[in-house]
Amino acid sequence: GQSLEQPSEVTAVEGAIVQINCTYQTSGFYGLSWYQQHDGGAPTFLSYNALDGLEETGRFSSFLSRSDSYGYLLLQELQMKDSASYFCAVRNNQGGKLIFGQGTELSVKP
Amino acid sequence: ETGVTQTPRHLVMGMTNKKSLKCEQHLGHNAMYWYKQSAKKPLELMFVYNFKEQTENNSVPSRFSPECPNSSHLFLHLHTLQPEDSALYLCASSPLGDLLYEQYFGPGTRLTVT
Repeated sequence: GQSLEQPSEVTAVEGAIVQINCTYQTSGFYGLSWYQQHDGGAPTFLSYNALDGLEETGRFSSFLSRSDSYGYLLLQELQMKDSASYFCAVRNNQGGKLIFGQGTELSVKP
Repeated sequence: ETGVTQTPRHLVMGMTNKKSLKCEQHLGHNAMYWYKQSAKKPLELMFVYNFKEQTENNSVPSRFSPECPNSSHLFLHLHTLQPEDSALYLCASSPLGDLLYEQYFGPGTRLTVT
């Protein structure tokens, strides 16, 4: 089968760094995306990795290791507004549907 | 603002009702999507439209009927729904019909089936 695993909850303090992991099992692989969703809001696109390595966009970075079927989202200099759910998503390269993880609820404390 | 609007934002309907959800994107995108988001569950892709043509239907029950009259508008027609269909229904669009390019989501319609 196809599945994504990510932690259900993560808690961190303002100014800290947090890493949200995502492991996947798919028949073939096309790329890994990350989305942020605030409570009651629409998911917003954060990043996309098709190749191994680190992609950096401001305070957020995303990493992919295709050999390990693993990726992570790194959030630096955490702010209260970063409290939200974070979803990883994968689509395989054989016409399969887009698969989302269950989401990680990040709580940033003062 | 994401450029994708959805109406209504909240909907309560009985199991025998017929209603429609509307999505409109003002971004000039060519692909539009319907997702279902239930509590404590991953987002589930329901339908994909590329250039007004349906290219994906992920085994969605026939009580959900999509319609895409043009590249800017997407509807989801609902009839004889079940209580387990209560969820947040999200519309999204993207410039290309590749689901891993950046997708722009609307705010969703919170549907409650009684």
